[in-house]
Amino acid sequence: DGGITQSPKYLFRKEGQNVTLSCEQNLNHDAMYWYRQDPGQGLRLIYYSQIVNDFQKGDIAEGYSVSREKKESFPLTVTSAQKNPTAFYLCASSSDHSGANVLTFGAGSRLTVL
Amino acid sequence: SQQGEEDPQALSIQEGENATMNCSYKTSINNLQWYRQNSGRGLVHLILIRSNEREKHSGRLRVTLDTSKKSSSLLITASRAADTASYFCATCSGNTGKLIFGQGTTLQVKP
Repeated sequence: DGGITQSPKYLFRKEGQNVTLSCEQNLNHDAMYWYRQDPGQGLRLIYYSQIVNDFQKGDIAEGYSVSREKKESFPLTVTSAQKNPTAFYLCASSSDHSGANVLTFGAGSRLTVL
Repeated sequence: SQQGEEDPQALSIQEGENATMNCSYKTSINNLQWYRQNSGRGLVHLILIRSNEREKHSGRLRVTLDTSKKSSSLLITASRAADTASYFCATCSGNTGKLIFGQGTTLQVKP
């Protein structure tokens, strides 16, 4: 089955630690995205990548970093510089369908800072 | 930046009733999409409507788009308890392919 796999599903972090969230897709999609969701809120874009070895900041990139060394993988590192990292993180990918951009999402990773 | 504003924030109806959710946005768009999210899960794409379309149907879903008012509505007919979820509109503008999501409407369908 094609899809997006995010891991871990739950993650606990102590203040001052960096953590990396994994996102892998086997859909052969070119573009990948990371969104953050806070309780009762919509999604906010952290970073996105339209092609391997290239990525752009979204609306809330401060305190986060990404890499895109392979088409299938787009890991997100939440650094100690992110002041309020407790949130639900969603990875998505897309291939352009006739000018549209429909996203396929993973199941999410919930990060809690202790 | 939040492009879409959704209304109402929460909606509770009985099974069999229709549910209508509205989305307003601020800038010109290429297309507008609706997604569904079950509690604690990822989002699932429901339907896409392009800027040159006014209405679109998919099963029990009907989406309208009024570009002059910069608004869209999602109608779910004959709702079921399994429709209980949060629903988000998302707008696509420019040529970057980025989607900007609204705050969402939480729908509860009571059996």
